[in-house]
Formats: sequence, structure tokens, C-alpha cells
Amino acid sequence: DTEVTQTPKHLVMGMTNKKSLKCEQHMGHRAMYWYKQKAKKPPELMFVYSYEKLSINESVPSRFSPECPNSSLLNLHLHALQPEDSALYLCASSQGLGGTPSGANVLTFGAGSRLTVL
Amino acid sequence: LAKTTQPISMDSYEGQEVNITCSHNNIATNDYITWYQQFPSQGPRFIIQGYKTKVTNEVASLFIPADRKSSTLSLPRVSLSDTAVYYCLVKLAGFQKLVFGTGTRLLVSP
Repeated sequence: DTEVTQTPKHLVMGMTNKKSLKCEQHMGHRAMYWYKQKAKKPPELMFVYSYEKLSINESVPSRFSPECPNSSLLNLHLHALQPEDSALYLCASSQGLGGTPSGANVLTFGAGSRLTVL
Repeated sequence: LAKTTQPISMDSYEGQEVNITCSHNNIATNDYITWYQQFPSQGPRFIIQGYKTKVTNEVASLFIPADRKSSTLSLPRVSLSDTAVYYCLVKLAGFQKLVFGTGTRLLVSP
């Protein structure tokens, strides 16, 4: 299995709602990532997990809460979002974190979850 | 803040070779340069990765000069299906994270 699966594909939520985005991979990768992508912009890193521990938090507002229940799963919990948080949210995984050869920083991305905040 | 820059857009015709350059003059010493292709409403897809000189696979070549301050993705004989946005991904010196380039929108016409 060489895929990263994200659910849901589309999500519409109000500013008072609580929802979650889910990501799953079965490639044995030990690093998982959340990226946010606005239209016509490159993906921006939000969080990195390495061996199920939060490794990088790019000063993301607390209304976004990541969770890594196990090495195959990554969640992004959403609460009290703003309309400007509407974007494509991408999950990715890699064998490890960068700095070494053998594809350590080759990221495999999911298809993304398109989030609209009303 | 150091940036990783690419041309905003490029136009080409089917069958031509396309070269897309990424400038990363503050790249981390020991990290690889990776290129991705992205279609609308999809996640980026891995194309090629290299550390220095030249790397070639079945879909592209990657040229990296000795100073590693830039890299050039070469797509031989593009087709209409190569119309997409292309990103480089590098780790910049002093940063822990991998940073995407600004992206190049390639349009291939018949």
C-alpha cells in the first residue's frame, strides 16, 4: 500500500462547530505532516510528527489541534475556525525526517481535505 | 526570511523539453532537493530527488550545480497531461522544516 488516505474529501463547517480531519498511511513511515494550502499558493507546513511525537509546530493557532494516535494515523481537530481558515488541508508521510539519503524527505501526500468555514 | 523562488509560470508545446529552475541560495548542507507535481485539488506527487550533479529517472532529470544554490527540473518531450504546478522542496540552513518553492505553473499546448 503506497497511499495516504484523507477523509473527508470535503468539509463545510460553521465557526462554532467542532470537526476533525483524518489521515492514514500503511507504508511504515514514521514521520507525518499536516500542510495548509490556499489557492495558487504553495503548501505551508503546520505540524510534523516523528515517531508519534510532535516534532514541529509552526506557530499554528490553537483552534487547530493535531493528534497522532499511532504510527499510521494522524488527525487534525478543528474548533472555532475562522473563514480565512478555508483551504485545502494536506496530509503527508515520509520514512523519516530530512537530512539523510534514501528518500528520508520524500513526502507522500494524500489528496487533501477541502475545508470551507462559513 | 530566506525564500525558495521559482518562475511563476511557463508555456510550452507538446513534444518540447521544459526546464524549470528553483533558486535556493540558503540550502542546508546535508539535505536533498526534491521536486513535486501538483494537479488542481490533488496533493503534490513526487517526481525526482537529488543531492548534487545530475539525476535521471523515467520521467525527468534534475540538474544541481556544485554550489547547490539552485536546481533545474528538466521534463523531456512534454505532453498535455504535464500541465500542472511544479514545486521544489528543500531544507534551508538554520531551519528544521522543509520549505516548498513558490511554484511554477506549466501550461502545455497542442
